[in-house]
Amino acid sequence: GENVEQHPSTLSVQEGDSAVIKCTYSDSASNYFPWYKQELGKRPQLIIDIRSNVGEKKDQRIAVTLNKTAKHFSLHITETQPEDSAVYFCAALIINNAGNMLTFGGGTRLMVKP
Amino acid sequence: EPEVTQTPSHQVTQMGQEVILRCVPISNHLYFYWYRQILGQKVEFLVSFYNNEISEKSEIFDDQFSVERPDGSNFTLKIRSTKLEDSAMYFCASTLDNEQFFGPGTRLTVL
Repeated sequence: GENVEQHPSTLSVQEGDSAVIKCTYSDSASNYFPWYKQELGKRPQLIIDIRSNVGEKKDQRIAVTLNKTAKHFSLHITETQPEDSAVYFCAALIINNAGNMLTFGGGTRLMVKP
Repeated sequence: EPEVTQTPSHQVTQMGQEVILRCVPISNHLYFYWYRQILGQKVEFLVSFYNNEISEKSEIFDDQFSVERPDGSNFTLKIRSTKLEDSAMYFCASTLDNEQFFGPGTRLTVL
């Protein structure tokens, strides 16, 4: 089955700096890669996603890059703000697989210091 | 904006008791999921459900677990005889295509 590794497990940055979180996946059939933000005690919220036919996607201060050959994808947050502090999870999924199950990475606790 | 809802928000039970966690997926969604998150750990897939049957399940989803869509709106997860290690946050999710929308979760505490 799919295995998703995520690094780092914790990341502390100064407000205004950039943050980068990296994930690798094992199943080359995976073709959809969402990123979720989870605040303490809350549900995971989708913040950005990318499909395997695209190498990069950007939404304001958030961008995701995908390297299919290396089976590697990354989340980039620029101009970080204290409200970006949360746990971020990457995930991988095979579209059109019967179960469409998400396999999550281990999570990154991002702390943005004001 | 429509949301996935879950009840109860917190369930406390004695070991060996049965629990039913309830979810109302977004109304036009076709695929339904249960995930589990043990405190401080990652979200883990339990089961997916489509067209009134299980389409995939993980190793965690053993004979103690079952899912049901008893009517057109509810989607339930039953744990027949709870164990201490079942204590976790249980999230329901639903999707129409790929983007999975998560419910607020039910915190299950097994004493």
